[in-house]
Amino acid sequence: AQSVTQPDIHITVSEGASLELRCNYSYGATPYLFWYVQSPGQGLQLLLKYFSGDTLVQGIKGFEAEFKRSQSSFNLRKPSVHWSDAAEYFCAVGAGGTSYGKLTFGQGTILTVHP
Amino acid sequence: DVKVTQSSRYLVKRTGEKVFLECVQDMDHENMFWYRQDPGLGLRLIYFSYDVKMKEKGDIPEGYSVSREKKERFSLILESASTNQTSMYLCASSFGGSGRDTQYFGPGTRLTVL
Repeated sequence: AQSVTQPDIHITVSEGASLELRCNYSYGATPYLFWYVQSPGQGLQLLLKYFSGDTLVQGIKGFEAEFKRSQSSFNLRKPSVHWSDAAEYFCAVGAGGTSYGKLTFGQGTILTVHP
Repeated sequence: DVKVTQSSRYLVKRTGEKVFLECVQDMDHENMFWYRQDPGLGLRLIYFSYDVKMKEKGDIPEGYSVSREKKERFSLILESASTNQTSMYLCASSFGGSGRDTQYFGPGTRLTVL
């Protein structure tokens, strides 16, 4: 069975600083990897996803993520954080085969942005 | 534009009550999912459905049941609500059964059981 770990429960950065949110997964085959964002009082919105090919994936709102198979990681990055990026971020892994599109989510990382 | 709606944003119920949470999607998606979200635990899958009248247990199905009579509607039922079911409930849908398919989420229902 697959699993996802987000080691950082809460991260605080200053506006304009760079950001990296960590995600480690466990899955036997090539995983399908996702990053979602949840703004306060909202549902989850997809930021980006990785299936195969180029290991650096671009997403919405200026985010990118890099798949590193050797480290079982899929870290999310942004070069310059905006106050509106304050939210909770979830990494998720999907399986192929007859999984019916089920996702396994990490525990989430809460991002606070200081002015 | 993709839309998943949930019947209530906030709900307060008493212990022992039967609770219905409704979810509707307008994208003709095959798959629908119910999660609960608790601080520090992320999202945990309760049940999912891959077709009308078809359902499968997720990781934490105890105390819950589901119903999918129409393709666009997926209901979560708490037969006898308990205080440990106080949580945020999120519904999602996806087009097909591939692990590549994006799940689209509703805004959530925050349920409090007193």
